[in-house]
Amino acid sequence: QKEVEQNSGPLSVPEGAIASLNCTYSDRGSQSFFWYRQYSGKSPELIMFIYSNGDKEDGRFTAQLNKASQYVSLLIRDSQPSDSATYLCAVNMGTNAGKSTFGDGTTLTVKP
Amino acid sequence: DAGVIQSPRHEVTEMGQEVTLRCKPISGHDYLFWYRQTMMRGLELLIYFNNNVPIDDSGMPEDRFSAKMPNASFSTLKIQPSEPRDSAVYFCASSSADKNTEAFFGQGTRLTVV
Repeated sequence: QKEVEQNSGPLSVPEGAIASLNCTYSDRGSQSFFWYRQYSGKSPELIMFIYSNGDKEDGRFTAQLNKASQYVSLLIRDSQPSDSATYLCAVNMGTNAGKSTFGDGTTLTVKP
Repeated sequence: DAGVIQSPRHEVTEMGQEVTLRCKPISGHDYLFWYRQTMMRGLELLIYFNNNVPIDDSGMPEDRFSAKMPNASFSTLKIQPSEPRDSAVYFCASSSADKNTEAFFGQGTRLTVV
């Protein structure tokens, strides 16, 4: 079992819809969770991080964490074609974003 | 700040040759990370430094790989000798101890070993 697993995708949603990206992790000691967006041929860029159980909202993005279920998700509301990218889930034993274990990513396509 | 700067952006080399990848972190950042990204294995942390000192190199795949950080503004990742399976995109990232919830990635070096 991989340490961080993401739904394999690809995921396709129409413009304006909600995109839901999921991630599970194996280490119960994990403390912090990050979502990165990576456009094709580009470097990952941080979208959100979450430490506590529950929801965290930032604009059109909502991260959800359930430590009991070892599950973290990212919701993108009002999806735009510019959201089309690969989304990487990263899990960390501490809080330093760089020391993370990454999932393989889910590729999202938002169709106009 | 110009962000994390990596060079070269692309490198094509022959098997057996030495390859050196370079990274300039964001000024003032305490941490520097080297990652490798492939289709097969995804994004993997190879090694990271704190205040120029290597802290964890458990992700370095083999002794052919080595990394140094001689000062706060420069780091290298060297592969000697290179092999075709080393072909990947290598990313450098940096973060600050004061705000370590953000790691900033460079644009990466795409390495092809033929």
